[in-house]
Amino acid sequence: GAVVSQHPSWVICKSGTSVKIECRSLDFQATTMFWYRQFPKQSLMLMATSNEGSKATYEQGVEKDKFLINHASLTLSTLTVTSAHPEDSSFYICSAMGTDFAKGFTETQYFGPGTRLLVL
Amino acid sequence: RKEVEQDPGPFNVPEGATVAFNCTYSNSASQSFFWYRQDCRKEPKLLMSVYSSGNEDGRFTAQLNRASQYISLLIRDSKLSDSATYLCVVNGGTSYGKLTFGQGTILTVHP
Repeated sequence: GAVVSQHPSWVICKSGTSVKIECRSLDFQATTMFWYRQFPKQSLMLMATSNEGSKATYEQGVEKDKFLINHASLTLSTLTVTSAHPEDSSFYICSAMGTDFAKGFTETQYFGPGTRLLVL
Repeated sequence: RKEVEQDPGPFNVPEGATVAFNCTYSNSASQSFFWYRQDCRKEPKLLMSVYSSGNEDGRFTAQLNRASQYISLLIRDSKLSDSATYLCVVNGGTSYGKLTFGQGTILTVHP
């Protein structure tokens, strides 16, 4: 199956710092990537949809100026949590979706391993 | 009303048992349906897609009833390794690729 990586896998930082998380599709081109957040004992909540070469589409209630998304290539999307605060501590997961018909990928989302962020 | 609702459980079953999970969704325009499993502190992994005609993959059987907006997952001959949270996931149909997750059903299989 498809492989999606995330880096870093965990981050501990001080309040007020910015944290950048990378999401890469390793063996296919992802025209669309998604960023999710999951708090303990809750389900994944979509934060934004990231399309290569265009601005991200944010879900209601997600501050676009706080969560900066850049999808500069078909294999890389980044999420930057600006001026992180303790309430931003969460499990951030990206997913990538491509349409590589040769490999049978058609609108299936493959998830990265996630990044645990702890803001002190 | 939540877009995707699941019984959170937990379900505690012995090895070898058959267990069924149910899920309902509110958006009648939804087009794609999935079951994912998520292990503790890990990312979700696709278990199976759900098709209108129902589909089976080994010990797992998924059913979809569009009229009732209802999805089910049946696990037969449970294994210890089946212990996980099972997520009912729906593609909303309005935004390309946007998935809506249920809160998950916790399954624990014990010896």
